[in-house]
Amino acid sequence: HVQLQESGPGLVKASETLSLTCSVSGFSINSGYYWGWVRQAPGKGLEWIGSIYLTGFTYYNPALESRVTVSLDTSTNHFSLDLKSVTAADTAVYYCVRDTNYRTGWYFDVWGRGTLVTVTS
Amino acid sequence: AVQLTQFPSSLSASVGDRVTITCRASQGLGTALGWYQQRPGKSPQLLIFDASNLQSGIPSRFSATGSGTDFTLTISSLQPEDSASYYCQEFNTYPAFGGGTRVEI
Repeated sequence: HVQLQESGPGLVKASETLSLTCSVSGFSINSGYYWGWVRQAPGKGLEWIGSIYLTGFTYYNPALESRVTVSLDTSTNHFSLDLKSVTAADTAVYYCVRDTNYRTGWYFDVWGRGTLVTVTS
Repeated sequence: AVQLTQFPSSLSASVGDRVTITCRASQGLGTALGWYQQRPGKSPQLLIFDASNLQSGIPSRFSATGSGTDFTLTISSLQPEDSASYYCQEFNTYPAFGGGTRVEI
């Protein structure tokens, strides 16, 4: 039973870097799949941020690409998100997710509980 | 990038009602579309993959159809626990979500 758990500071100052970690249990990220991040601003919809494969291959939302880095550590079975130069618009609940390929598409079949990150001035 | 438009943006229905939500894509997706349910204060959950396939553990009152640019999610007999927001999602060049539909009971 795969479980994901986000961790990191709940408050980040504007212009600084938001850093979150997702711990994976019940599954080795060495076994495959893409691992990623999705966020949701208060009262808004879902926005995919970026994903990484076990080889280190990454792909990012073009709207955020210049500020985002997703990395993984197979030795500790977790992956991470860094979002630099944050503003109030980056205030959101951040979810870590597993990307899975089904027959014709890619979907997020496992989600963490989410962690609220508030950007303060 | 593909744009996904969901409608209605919200609806109110009664227990036992049949509810239909539509997702329209700005370009053809084949059958590469998924649906998610997000209950208040909870993480989203994958309901449907590849346009019409029920994810394991999801009740059979949920169904979905569509291909190309037009997709629908149907709840055949609305239950109290179905009060939630529903999102469609595609992956063309990168994953993207529709704006969501809030279902109130």
